[in-house]
Amino acid sequence: SQKIEQNSEALNIQEGKTATLTCNYTNYSPAYLQWYRQDPGRGPVFLLLIRENEKEKRKERLKVTFDTTLKQSLFHITASQPADSATYLCALSQGYSTLTFGKGTMLLVSP
Amino acid sequence: GAVVSQHPSWVICKSGTSVKIECRSLDFQATTMFWYRQFPKQSLMLMATSNEGSKATYEQGVEKDKFLINHASLTLSTLTVTSAHPEDSSFYICSARDQAGGAGNQPQHFGDGTRLSIL
Repeated sequence: SQKIEQNSEALNIQEGKTATLTCNYTNYSPAYLQWYRQDPGRGPVFLLLIRENEKEKRKERLKVTFDTTLKQSLFHITASQPADSATYLCALSQGYSTLTFGKGTMLLVSP
Repeated sequence: GAVVSQHPSWVICKSGTSVKIECRSLDFQATTMFWYRQFPKQSLMLMATSNEGSKATYEQGVEKDKFLINHASLTLSTLTVTSAHPEDSSFYICSARDQAGGAGNQPQHFGDGTRLSIL
């Protein structure tokens, strides 16, 4: 089965810097990779989806890369703000299979 | 758009009680809804996939008689935890897709979850 690794340690950065979160996976290469944001006690909120044939996807201050050779996705938030503080989840799918979620990485942006 | 409402947000009840959780898509029709369970600092674990008008598909290890799922309409799915015990205490979250197609090529829209505490 697919195993997803996200850094379990919280990432602490200063406001204005770029936050980079990592999602590594083992076994098969997913057809789709998604990133979600989850605040404490809330459900996840969809951010970005990237397909296996796409190298990069952007949305405002967010950027996702997908390297199927390294079996890794990087999630970047540029010009980070304290409001960006949350847990970010990576989720993978082979297409018609269900999504498999990682444990997430907590991001803390200090003013 | 694509709002999913989950109710209740918090339940505390005695062991042996059955608890029903509702998941509604407010502004779209959800042909497929998903039910997840999440323990603190753990990933979302898929419990079952619910398709409107048909029986839910449960993941391995999830007791279908324990966790009853009904998806009677395109906007409502319910999860009933029957005869709940303390080990069933967890954060239950539903999600829905608003388009047909494979599970991974569309975003999922999540409810805000239900915190279930069994005493």
